[in-house]
Amino acid sequence: QSALTQEASVSGTVGQKVTLSCTGNSHNIGSYTVGWYQQISHGAPKSVMFGNSPPSGISDRFSGSKSGTTASLTISGLQPEDETTYYCSTWDSSLSAVVFGGGTKLTVL
Amino acid sequence: QVQLVQSGAEVKKPGSSVKASCKASGSTFSDYAINWVRQAPGQGLEWMGRLVLRFGVANYAQMFQGRITITADTSTRTIYMALTSLTSDDTAVYYCAGGRSGNYYPYYQGLDVWGQGTAVTVS
Repeated sequence: QSALTQEASVSGTVGQKVTLSCTGNSHNIGSYTVGWYQQISHGAPKSVMFGNSPPSGISDRFSGSKSGTTASLTISGLQPEDETTYYCSTWDSSLSAVVFGGGTKLTVL
Repeated sequence: QVQLVQSGAEVKKPGSSVKASCKASGSTFSDYAINWVRQAPGQGLEWMGRLVLRFGVANYAQMFQGRITITADTSTRTIYMALTSLTSDDTAVYYCAGGRSGNYYPYYQGLDVWGQGTAVTVS
C-alpha cells in the first residue's frame, strides 16, 4: 500500500480542465514539496511539476498546488497527448524515505 | 542540467546479486542526489534509496535495508546500485533519478532527471 493516495483513474474531454489529487499526512505532504511525474507507456518517468513550479519545457497548462496534506496537479486545456499515468512523490520524515503515490491513469475522452 | 545513462539489461539467477550503473554527464553532478526507483511489471514506482553526493549521505528504504548498497565513483561520475539475495519479486525495471540536493536535511528537491531504466529479470 502506497504512503500517498491517488485516484486510480481520472478522465476528461479534450479542452477540459482536470485535477489529480495526492493525499498524505503531516510527515510527508504536510511538510515537504510534492513532485509530479508523467510516465508514458512504461517509459522513463518525466518530471512535470515540483511544488507549483514546472521544469523548463513543460507546458504552462500544468499547474501544482497544495492545501494541508493534499497536493493537486491541474491540467488545463486537456490534450490527447496528456493521456498517461501520473505519480506524485515527496519526502517522508517518519520513514526517512521518498514516497510515491500509486499513480493515476488519466484518460482523455 | 545532469543527464543520466544507465547500464544494460541483466538476467540473474535467484539468490545472486546485481549491480546496475548510472553514468552522469553535466557540470553540476556533485550538486545532485541520485535516487534508485524500481517498477515491477504492471506496478507503480517504488523508491529504493539515494545517495546525496555533496554530503555523502545514503538513505535506504526499510524494505531493502541489508540488501542494497548505493555507491559512487566520482572520478567517472558513475553511481552504482547493488542488490543482493535476488528473488523473482525483484524482477523489475530499475531507474536512477536525480534531483538537486538542498542545503539542509533531508536535502530533497524532487527528481528532475531520470535515466532510461535497466531491466532486471530474476529467473
